[in-house]
Amino acid sequence: AQSVTQLDSHVSVSEGTPVLLRCNYSSSYSPSLFWYVQHPNKGLQLLLKYTSAATLVKGINGFEAEFKKSETSFHLTKPSAHMSDAAEYFCVVSVGPRGGSQGNLIFGKGTKLSVKP
Amino acid sequence: SQTIHQWPATLVQPVGSPLSLECTVEGTSNPNLYWYRQAAGRGLQLLFYSVGIGQISSEVPQNLSASRPQDRQFILSSKKLLLSDSGFYLCAWSPGSSTDTQYFGPGTRLTVL
Repeated sequence: AQSVTQLDSHVSVSEGTPVLLRCNYSSSYSPSLFWYVQHPNKGLQLLLKYTSAATLVKGINGFEAEFKKSETSFHLTKPSAHMSDAAEYFCVVSVGPRGGSQGNLIFGKGTKLSVKP
Repeated sequence: SQTIHQWPATLVQPVGSPLSLECTVEGTSNPNLYWYRQAAGRGLQLLFYSVGIGQISSEVPQNLSASRPQDRQFILSSKKLLLSDSGFYLCAWSPGSSTDTQYFGPGTRLTVL
């Protein structure tokens, strides 16, 4: 069965310092993995997705994530945090087989990122 | 480009009243459509999904229902709201082809009093 675990419910960093949001997954096949960001009272915005091409995935707003099959991890990083990065971040794994049209997703519980000035 | 709209943005309703939330997608044809609820402390929960007009699959039994009267319109309804229906409701779409990336709307904040 597929599952996703976000290891930290809350991460706090100072502006200009690196960001690391951790995510581990469990999947019985090669998964599709995603990171979404949600600002307060807003919808979810897709940051990046992994679909078995390059293991290092670059997303929007300077974020990137590395797929590590041996560690079943898909951690999200950014070299330098900005105040506007303060939001909740969701790691997501697709439960459908590749080629499935429903594309049902399993969401992690989210990590709230705080950025201090 | 594709855009997804939801309305209303916020809604306050008394217990026992009906509900109708609407979601529309522009710039694509035959999308897969989804309704999620995000309740405090409970994460994101898939409620319904649809792969075509009139085709609705329910993930969680409850007093909510969904309909898809047109290709790019998805409606979430209830005949009688419960306090537990309060939450943030998100509509999402994905291409009808074999991709699993979903794109979310801005959401509706529902408070049932």
